Amino acid sequence: NAGVMQNPRHLVRRRGQEARLRCSPVKGHSHVYWYRQLPEEGLKFMVYLQKENIIDESGMPKERFSAEFPKEGPSILRIQQVVRGDSAAYFCASSPEQQGTNYGYTFGSGTRLTVV
Amino acid sequence: DAKTTQPNSMESNEEEPVHLPCNHSTISGTDYIHWYRQLPSQGPEYVIHGLTSNVNNRMASLAIAEDRKSSTLILHRATLRDAAVYYCILRSWPLGFGNEKLTFGTGTRLTIIP
Repeated sequence: NAGVMQNPRHLVRRRGQEARLRCSPVKGHSHVYWYRQLPEEGLKFMVYLQKENIIDESGMPKERFSAEFPKEGPSILRIQQVVRGDSAAYFCASSPEQQGTNYGYTFGSGTRLTVV
Repeated sequence: DAKTTQPNSMESNEEEPVHLPCNHSTISGTDYIHWYRQLPSQGPEYVIHGLTSNVNNRMASLAIAEDRKSSTLILHRATLRDAAVYYCILRSWPLGFGNEKLTFGTGTRLTIIP
């Protein structure tokens, strides 16, 4: 299966701990997008990255959240000092670099973060 | 990206066609109409997209009004596996800073009745 792989699928953290969410895009895709979905709510854009660059982080909270997409390896969404309000499903999507036509993104199955 | 309006929920009987409407009265000439769906406990899944002409693929059909101010996603024969939240999203083209991301609304929750 060449889809977007996210791990872990479920993550439980105590308040104050760090959460690291990983996303491996579709092979050959160099653009990654992170979204957050709070319980019973819609998906909210967080950040858009290309290899080694953050392109649009307009949806990222100003503190405790960071994202990276290194030249080698998966994209990482990092949440420091988690609070209960961070409990949500975090989805990653990817797209290829060459966009010759207007096509769809491929989403992963998400990481469900629970802060206790 | 321009805004879309969808009914909050719809029901349909299994094995019958489903027509999911979407209004986008402020659509611009370069906005593509995209549809995604999200099955329970899954990430969104691309369904179909179009600009002006009606589009068909293995999953669904997209009917676009002549003035492009509305569109309808058509599932020809709904199954229980089609129960999901369906999102209608406008995406401007060409892509540039700020419009690469998809902006999801609240979508339509489709319930399939056995």
